Amino acid sequence: EAGVAQSPRYKIIEKRQSVAFWCNPISGHATLYWYQQILGQGPKLLIQFQNNGVVDDSQLPKDRFSAERLKGVDSTLKIQPAKLEDSAVYLCASSLDFSDLRQEGAFFGQGTRLTVV
Amino acid sequence: AQRVTQPEKLLSVFKGAPVELKCNYSYSGSPELFWYVQYSRQRLQLLLRHISRESIKGFTADLNKGETSFHLKKPFAQEEDSAMYYCALRFDYGQNFVFGPGTRLSVLP
Repeated sequence: EAGVAQSPRYKIIEKRQSVAFWCNPISGHATLYWYQQILGQGPKLLIQFQNNGVVDDSQLPKDRFSAERLKGVDSTLKIQPAKLEDSAVYLCASSLDFSDLRQEGAFFGQGTRLTVV
Repeated sequence: AQRVTQPEKLLSVFKGAPVELKCNYSYSGSPELFWYVQYSRQRLQLLLRHISRESIKGFTADLNKGETSFHLKKPFAQEEDSAMYYCALRFDYGQNFVFGPGTRLSVLP
């Protein structure tokens, strides 16, 4: 089956610019996650969607980050304006309904490596 | 509060030696625990989960609720096991899915 698709793979921007990342989850997966992975650290959950609703966005810096999943399929994550400390890999993952205890966990995309200069 | 801890950033073992990657979690309810692996230049992928009690690529992990641990073990390490390993915890009925900081396993020839 096709995996989680993300684009772009790499992005370099100057601080204070804006940037957007796109994610297409595995077909049929209701839950979508965005993670930020700073070099040398584990993935940090930014936001979790269930279909087109937000389940958890407690760690999303809402003054500059926003995310949407309008039709419950694709999702975009935006940063505006970017700061140097936003340099990281942004990972998208998807899974079946998060409340289904039979599910196998999350499947990850390749990630987008963002460098803010 | 950090929910998942992996005390070793780097673990080096020789080929054929046993390996144990440590993971401890903090959660008072019923946890779901996973191990993910990331090989060089590949995406993060699921290795195993506690609920299935399976052995994947020779790795096993047992959930110890008393010690709140989910250590990953393999009796004989192979060079191809060299990778980053992340322990992950899902809790609150799936509404939270958090990862540990990771351990880099290096298997030496």
